[in-house]
Amino acid sequence: DIQMTQSPSSLSASVGDRVTITCRASQTISSYLNWYQQKPGKAPKLLIYAASSLQSGVPSRFSGSGSGTDFTLTISCLQPEDFATYFCQQSYSSPRTFGQGTKVEIK
Amino acid sequence: EVQLLESGGGLVQPGGSLRLSCAASGFTFSSYAMNWVRQAPGKGLEWVSAIRGSGDNTYYADSVKGRFTISRDNSKNTLYLQMNSLRADDTAVYYCTKDYGLGMSEPFDYWGQGNLVTVSS
Repeated sequence: DIQMTQSPSSLSASVGDRVTITCRASQTISSYLNWYQQKPGKAPKLLIYAASSLQSGVPSRFSGSGSGTDFTLTISCLQPEDFATYFCQQSYSSPRTFGQGTKVEIK
Repeated sequence: EVQLLESGGGLVQPGGSLRLSCAASGFTFSSYAMNWVRQAPGKGLEWVSAIRGSGDNTYYADSVKGRFTISRDNSKNTLYLQMNSLRADDTAVYYCTKDYGLGMSEPFDYWGQGNLVTVSS
């Protein structure tokens, strides 16, 4: 199975900050990397697919980049509604494994 | 509007069985692969099982292989997960999810609301 490792596991940030979360795959996954946002008690929501494609309806302050084994999710200007946990997922091969999550908290 | 509505969760004793259902609407159900993903309390996400649109091909995580069975009824637009020989470490919120596209390397673009399964004596 492909292992996905996110860093950091948590971070504290303020409204308006630029936030970057990284995700590393244990082997190359081309651009088959997706990002999800999960708020407490809710189902995850797809934000970014294929490393850099923005899902319909997702604000443009979210962006993704990377290929191969190293990927980033950037929130350009953190908003109050962005405080949540973010998961990366590889869809290169089965099982489609997730990272352990990054919790973005209010500073 | 795509909707995935899960049902069937609850409390079950170790070694017991439970069947989850996921009623889908708002898209051509038979065209898309569907999945079950679970999340243990306070933990991350774990893909559990997948089934292709036709129902002919099924896939399982090693942790549930031989105990769980995924199926679908395309005439009823419903996905199922039959869970047997349940263990305490199967305790989780179970989500049904829809594949984004028709390929083999898809993200999950829609998720159900989640259904808690608790395995405890």
